[in-house]
Amino acid sequence: DGGITQSPKYLFRKEGQNVTLSCEQNLNHDAMYWYRQDPGQGLRLIYYSQIVNDFQKGDIAEGYSVSREKKESFPLTVTSAQKNPTAFYLCASSIDPGARGYTFGSGTRLTVV
Amino acid sequence: QKEVEQDPGPLSVPEGAIVSLNCTYSNSAFQYFMWYRQYSRKGPELLMYTYSSGNKEDGRFTAQVDKSSKYISLFIRDSQPSDSATYLCAMSEAQAGTALIFGKGTTLSVSS
Repeated sequence: DGGITQSPKYLFRKEGQNVTLSCEQNLNHDAMYWYRQDPGQGLRLIYYSQIVNDFQKGDIAEGYSVSREKKESFPLTVTSAQKNPTAFYLCASSIDPGARGYTFGSGTRLTVV
Repeated sequence: QKEVEQDPGPLSVPEGAIVSLNCTYSNSAFQYFMWYRQYSRKGPELLMYTYSSGNKEDGRFTAQVDKSSKYISLFIRDSQPSDSATYLCAMSEAQAGTALIFGKGTTLSVSS
């Protein structure tokens, strides 16, 4: 079945560590997105990519980095520069978001310990 | 002023009630409007999609868009406990080449 897979489901990070969240899709979608969700804050856009080897910053890109080397994969690295990384991270993909919306993954909950 | 405003609730209703969820927006260029449903600790799923103004019905769900008032609504008829979730509105200016703008979500609880 086609879908979008995020891993791991839960992730714990120590202070000063970089961690990478995985996002893989087999929907043949060109566009992929990373959002952060905090209680009461809704979904905030971190980065998005419309094509391989190209990506754009969203509203809260500071402290995060991404790569898009393959159409199927869009990993997100949370660096030590992100001072408040504890959140629920959602990856999404789309052919044309305005017309068909996003398909979301099931999310990764990151906690700083 | 936020681009998309949505009352976070929580909203509590008895089973069988009609539920009205709403969003307002400031960008008159938005043309594509969506509603997502998100269960706790899950990714959102697309519930309804509407282009420009008008109504769209799908079973117990009706989506309305009033572009003149910059106001969109989602109505749920005969609400069920399984409808208990967070509902997010989302909108976009263009069909492609951009990211969706989301409201903060409204948490709904339907009691049996």
